[in-house]
Amino acid sequence: QEQLQESGPRLVKASETLSLTCTVSGGSINTGSFYWSWIRQPPGKGLEGIGYVYFSGSTKFNPSLQNRVNMSMDTSTNSFSLKLSSVTAADTAVYYCARVSSLGMYYFDYWGPGTLVTVSS
Amino acid sequence: SYVLSQPPSMPVPPGQTATLTCAGDNVGRASVHWYQQKPGQAPVLVIYGDSHRPSGIPERFSGSNSGNAAALTISRVEAGDEADYYCQVWETATDHAVFGGGTKLTVL
Repeated sequence: QEQLQESGPRLVKASETLSLTCTVSGGSINTGSFYWSWIRQPPGKGLEGIGYVYFSGSTKFNPSLQNRVNMSMDTSTNSFSLKLSSVTAADTAVYYCARVSSLGMYYFDYWGPGTLVTVSS
Repeated sequence: SYVLSQPPSMPVPPGQTATLTCAGDNVGRASVHWYQQKPGQAPVLVIYGDSHRPSGIPERFSGSNSGNAAALTISRVEAGDEADYYCQVWETATDHAVFGGGTKLTVL
């Protein structure tokens, strides 16, 4: 059973770059069976998909964020990362990493516990 | 961008059946997935592919999808079912996940 764990700074200054890493245990991320994804949830609000990275290195992002977001994988540490630039208070949220089955039905079957990132002015 | 609509709240007495809806244009053509989220916790997948239950999810949870609405049905509702429930599809045009706004299930 796979486990995912987010890590990174909990406080980011406005206009700077938010950086998070998700470390996966219990299985390899170097597989074509899954996408490795980030989702966020502002306090008291719903879920928003940010995007995903695939084992080939290809990425896909939510159109509303694609100008500010980047993702990458590191197979040596079995982890993948999120970078969100030029952050504002609207980017304050709990950030989750999750695994997506890429075999026809795209759903999030394993999630990290989430980490609250606050953007300060 | 594709939109999924969920009622914001649903109160239900214990022991009754709760039917949570997720509306979207021709959503019946997509695969709909459902997540349960309790306060302070990450979401948990309860239904995938319209009607399939992951291992460990009680048989009281079932799903359906047709036309312009998908539904999550919870039979014999228990206090422990109180949570936010989100539906989700994968938008093929943009290749990313779309979530509904969520329904807060309250067990009276």
